[in-house]
Amino acid sequence: DTGVSQNPRHKITKRGQNVTFRCDPISEHNRLYWYRQTLGQGPEFLTYFQNEAQLEKSRLLSDRFSAERPKGSFSTLEIQRTEQGDSAMYLCASSLSTSGGALDTQYFGPGTRLTVL
Amino acid sequence: GIQVEQSPPDLILQEGANSTLRCNFSDSVNNLQWFHQNPWGQLINLFYIPSGTKQNGRLSATTVATERYSLLYISSSQTTDSGVYFCAVVRSNDYKLSFGAGTTVTVRA
Repeated sequence: DTGVSQNPRHKITKRGQNVTFRCDPISEHNRLYWYRQTLGQGPEFLTYFQNEAQLEKSRLLSDRFSAERPKGSFSTLEIQRTEQGDSAMYLCASSLSTSGGALDTQYFGPGTRLTVL
Repeated sequence: GIQVEQSPPDLILQEGANSTLRCNFSDSVNNLQWFHQNPWGQLINLFYIPSGTKQNGRLSATTVATERYSLLYISSSQTTDSGVYFCAVVRSNDYKLSFGAGTTVTVRA
């Protein structure tokens, strides 16, 4: 078990460019979550996958954001036409759901720190 | 959505001191986790504790779900305990974590 991994760890881009982040969850974890954390705040929920199905998107996730989890394994988060307000730490977490409940522990990756110039 | 309040916002300790961090939440939960965020931003799991008491070395935690609060105890603090401590909960019938604003702990040698 190597934990949740995320790539890249840091990304600097110019306003208007597109960026894509990748998350590899703990193997056999069927739930995957994306969160965003800005300076001085706690992480905020963005979106959630159960296997390959995206089941919920936060209102924070504008139509410039898209996330996928093909085949229920790794996930990608793409931001199109980046804005300076997108600068944040993007965190991925995974968990193994038990049948019938949300009684699972979420494990976080190291995050991708995005800076939009 | 569920509200999560952590106190105090900042805590400065002398090495060797004990401290208590508090987390209040506004609704029924079926998951509560405590995290330590290191200077590089990694969230490190400390406890999964929707109810009851757990201990792990110098850290312990207690959650009283019926009264909607949780406490994290740090005993004999060390400089490596410095960082931001987050409480996060999952509301009943939900799956996403809602985080508090964190408590920033500074332990001085």
